[in-house]
Amino acid sequence: AQSVTQLGSHVSVSEGALVLLRCNYSSSVPPYLFWYVQYPNQGLQLLLKYTTGATLVKGINGFEAEFKKSETSFHLTKPSAHMSDAAEYFCAVMEYSSASKIIFGSGTRLSIRP
Amino acid sequence: NAGVTQTPKFQVLKTGQSMTLQCAQDMNHNSMYWYRQDPGMGLRLIYYSASEGTTDKGEVPNGYNVSRLNKREFSLRLESAAPSQTSVYFCASSATPGGAGTEAFFGQGTRLTVV
Repeated sequence: AQSVTQLGSHVSVSEGALVLLRCNYSSSVPPYLFWYVQYPNQGLQLLLKYTTGATLVKGINGFEAEFKKSETSFHLTKPSAHMSDAAEYFCAVMEYSSASKIIFGSGTRLSIRP
Repeated sequence: NAGVTQTPKFQVLKTGQSMTLQCAQDMNHNSMYWYRQDPGMGLRLIYYSASEGTTDKGEVPNGYNVSRLNKREFSLRLESAAPSQTSVYFCASSATPGGAGTEAFFGQGTRLTVV
């Protein structure tokens, strides 16, 4: 069964610093991987997704993630944090199978220090 | 373009009461989902429906039932609400019946409190 582990429930970085949010997955078959962002009192918005092809995926708001099969990881990065990036971020996995189940990690809250 | 619409947005129930959360999508998606969100636990899948006419249990199905009324609508029912079901509930939909890897689109959530 697929699962997702997000290391660090809370990450704090200074404005302008590198953002790195970690995600590791477990899947018995090649997965599809997603990062979502949630701003306070709102629903979830897709940041980026990996399906097939290029392992470095670029998303909205300057975020990108790299699928590393050997490490079963899909870490999210942004070179320079902005105050508006403060939010909760969720990694999710869908197995390539007849079922369309999407499983989420427990989330990482990103805080930005001025 | 409405996307995924959930009703109600807020609800307070007494222990033992029942209620149905409604969800509708206008994107002609095959798959629909119900999640609950609790602090520190992320989103946990309650039930999902890969296509019209099918439903499957997710990670935390106990205490809930679902109905895929048609392609557009997927409802979640609490037969006898318990305080442990206090949570924010999200409905989502995606275009894939399986394997296409498309993302889920989310509603704005229902904040449910059981007292």
